[in-house]
Amino acid sequence: DAGVIQSPRHEVTEMGQEVTLRCKPISGHNSLFWYRQTMMRGLELLIYFNNNVPIDDSGMPEDRFSAKMPNASFSTLKIQPSEPRDSAVYFCASSPPGRGANVLTFGAGSRLTVL
Amino acid sequence: DAKTTQPNSMESNEEEPVHLPCNHSTISGTDYIHWYRQLPSQGPEYVIHGLTSNVNNRMASLAIAEDRKSSTLILHRATLRDAAVYYCILRRTGANNLFFGTGTRLTVIP
Repeated sequence: DAGVIQSPRHEVTEMGQEVTLRCKPISGHNSLFWYRQTMMRGLELLIYFNNNVPIDDSGMPEDRFSAKMPNASFSTLKIQPSEPRDSAVYFCASSPPGRGANVLTFGAGSRLTVL
Repeated sequence: DAKTTQPNSMESNEEEPVHLPCNHSTISGTDYIHWYRQLPSQGPEYVIHGLTSNVNNRMASLAIAEDRKSSTLILHRATLRDAAVYYCILRRTGANNLFFGTGTRLTVIP
């Protein structure tokens, strides 16, 4: 099992540009989570999906952020337009159904720098 | 979600046991106690979880107080690879999401 796969691992962009982060969850997992980590705010839950449906997006900072999960094996987090304060490490995590839903497996993260 | 309180940092000597405390005085009867850790430059990693009874796995042990208002993560022999930030999190039964606090930064001294 390759685990949760995120891309890109690093992205440097200029303010105003569109950024798309991608995530492939573990096969068979039916819940997917997007987190953001900064020194100031720590790990913040942005949004999570269950069976491809967004369940709670109350952590999404503002309308510039959007997330989609078109199928069980792919999700995107898009920032448009990006701003310097969006610079952070973005983590994707997934968890399986049933009792295993207690355990989240995280990807390696995508480090975003907005200049 | 109920709040947890952890020390900001702890140190341990290599090869010695480490006891990482967590206070959760407002825990409800349906809250599971979860521990995750984050190694430098990596995503968080699941360590262990429990509800009422003490739990053991290959990574660690979780000791839960009888009144469930506190718990302790026990690493039996700290190695340099155990240097990480350890997060204690309460998760309601049936809830899918996890909310991370600030955690305890563990430094292992060779």
